[in-house]
Amino acid sequence: DTGVSQDPRHKITKRGQNVTFRCDPISEHNRLYWYRQTLGQGPEFLTYFQNEAQLEKSRLLSDRFSAERPKGSFSTLEIQRTEQGDSAMYLCASSPGVAKNIQYFGAGTRLSVL
Amino acid sequence: QQQVKQSPQSLIVQKGGISIINCAYENTAFDYFPWYQQFPGKGPALLIAIRPDVSEKKEGRFTISFNKSAKQFSLHIMDSQPGDSATYFCAEKTGGGNKLTFGTGTQLKVEL
Repeated sequence: DTGVSQDPRHKITKRGQNVTFRCDPISEHNRLYWYRQTLGQGPEFLTYFQNEAQLEKSRLLSDRFSAERPKGSFSTLEIQRTEQGDSAMYLCASSPGVAKNIQYFGAGTRLSVL
Repeated sequence: QQQVKQSPQSLIVQKGGISIINCAYENTAFDYFPWYQQFPGKGPALLIAIRPDVSEKKEGRFTISFNKSAKQFSLHIMDSQPGDSATYFCAEKTGGGNKLTFGTGTQLKVEL
């Protein structure tokens, strides 16, 4: 499978714990995006990387959230001191670059904070 | 955050019928309008997309109609099939930007 891969698919955690999600984009896609989707809503943009550089962050990305893409390949999204309001589906997408706007999404990581 | 108004919220269509979903946008700087299809437990998948210099684009049973003056665009699914039952999202991308802004989604059910 050469699509966007996300791990884990599901994560259940207790309030106050830290969690980390991983995204492996499509090979040679230099752009990587993180979105958050809550039930009954469309995905909302969180942050964007071009290669290893984080170029844009939404105001939704509070200081408890941090994302990295250290070698310009896979990315991680960490949430510290999780809150019940963080419960959502976290989606990763990648795209080939400037000439093509198509963003390909992974299946997401569903986070449940108890 | 969402600046895209999508309607209806849910839609039931008989097999073989036409499904129509509408979106309205506010920001005239948007330059790319994709539609995504999402099945339960899956990520959104690109269905069809259009740029504002084109009034209509057709791919198989799926057609986007774009009305620049009204700042509206719609998805038409011809000969709707039960396998089309999914949630559909319109989206926009600002010219020079990178993020997609999604609508709230339309849950489509195609009945036999």
